[in-house]
Amino acid sequence: SQQGEEDPQALSIQEGENATMNCSYKTSINNLQWYRQNSGRGLVHLILIRSNEREKHSGRLRVTLDTSKKSSSLLITASRAADTASYFCATPGGSGGSNYKLTFGKGTLLTVNP
Amino acid sequence: SAVISQKPSRDICQRGTSLTIQCQVDSQVTMMFWYRQQPGQSLTLIATANQGSEATYESGFVIDKFPISRPNLTFSTLTVSNMSPEDSSIYLCSVEVTQGQPQHFGDGTRLSIL
Repeated sequence: SQQGEEDPQALSIQEGENATMNCSYKTSINNLQWYRQNSGRGLVHLILIRSNEREKHSGRLRVTLDTSKKSSSLLITASRAADTASYFCATPGGSGGSNYKLTFGKGTLLTVNP
Repeated sequence: SAVISQKPSRDICQRGTSLTIQCQVDSQVTMMFWYRQQPGQSLTLIATANQGSEATYESGFVIDKFPISRPNLTFSTLTVSNMSPEDSSIYLCSVEVTQGQPQHFGDGTRLSIL
C-alpha cells in the first residue's frame, strides 16, 4: 500500500486566498515532510513535523499532524502567484533516525492565479 | 545545507542507447540517492548510492538497467541503460547531509526517449 496520498490532486485559487492540502499515510512514522516542486525543477524541503508534534509553523506555512488519523495538512496562507507548484508529502522508512527511503505521495498541483 | 549539481539537465535520446547522469555535491555526504519521477507522477526511489560498495536497489529496479557509481563522498552517477520510451522521466539525485534531517535535491535530469 502506498504511503502519503495527497488530496486534492489539483487546486486552483486566487492570489491572496488560502490553500489547504491534505496527506494520508498508512504506517507508523517518525516524521512527515512536505516538499515543493516548481515546474521543471528539483524538490525543495518546506517543513518537517515529528510524530510527537501536532502543529508547526514556518512563515506562511502551517502544517498539522494527526497520528491517530494518520493524516497531515499543509496550509499556505495569503497565497502568491509564486506559490504555484506541486506539493508532496513524504514519509521516511529508514532506520536509526535516518530520513532515507522517503516514500512520496502523489502530490497536489497548486495554481495561484494573479 | 548542500548545493547539488546534476548534469545533463535534459536530454533526448534514441531507443536502445544509454545515458549517464552525474550528481556532484559541494560537501561530503554519507547518503546519496537516485529517484525517478515519471510524467505527472510522484517520486520513486531507485537506489541508495553507497560509497565504496554496490548500490542498494529498491524493488523493481535492477543494477543491469540502472548501474550506479559512487567513487567518493561528493559524486555519483546513474546510467539508464538500453533506453526505451518508458524510461522517459525526470531523474533526481538527493543527499542526506545530516542524519535525521531532510534531504536536499538536485534540479533533476529530464530524459526523453524517442
